[in-house]
Amino acid sequence: KQEVTQIPAALSVPEGENLVLNCSFTDSAIYNLQWFRQDPGKGLTSLLLIQSSQREQTSGRLNASLDKSSGRSTLYIAASQPGDSATYLCAVTTSGTYKYIFGTGTRLKVLA
Amino acid sequence: NAGVTQTPKFQVLKTGQSMTLQCAQDMNHNSMYWYRQDPGMGLRLIYYSASEGTTDKGEVPNGYNVSRLNKREFSLRLESAAPSQTSVYFCASSEGQQEKLFFGSGTQLSVL
Repeated sequence: KQEVTQIPAALSVPEGENLVLNCSFTDSAIYNLQWFRQDPGKGLTSLLLIQSSQREQTSGRLNASLDKSSGRSTLYIAASQPGDSATYLCAVTTSGTYKYIFGTGTRLKVLA
Repeated sequence: NAGVTQTPKFQVLKTGQSMTLQCAQDMNHNSMYWYRQDPGMGLRLIYYSASEGTTDKGEVPNGYNVSRLNKREFSLRLESAAPSQTSVYFCASSEGQQEKLFFGSGTQLSVL
């Protein structure tokens, strides 16, 4: 059974710092992986989607990498800003299924 | 530019009452989903509709029913609400299987 873990559950960093958020999954036979952002009281916004054949995806200050063999993905945020404060969740899916398995998220606070 | 719209945003029910959560998307997406989000448990899939006219159970379907009314609309019904169904409910849509997910802003449901 696929399980997705995100550690740490919470993280505080000063503004301007580069940071890495981690996502681990137990079954390496994934089809793709998505990173989401969730602001308090809001829905999720998809940030990056990485197909299993890809190693990384970039969007602006965000870079997500995928290492299927080790069951890990990282979300790199460059030059963090207070506006980046939110909960970041990852989710994986396997081939032939509509079901995404979500991690419980990392709550990020960027201090001004 | 509405995306995925959910109603209501908040609801309080008494045990045994019924209600329907409404969801509509304006992106011409084929697939629609209902998730629930509980503290410490991440998002869990309740039901999904791969395409108009089809619905399937997700991880936690007990106590719920769904209707894919047309391509735009996907409703979730609680026939006899229980306190265990207190949660935040999210509707999501995607163009197809395992594509980028777009979420609504959620419904906070409390069952007393």
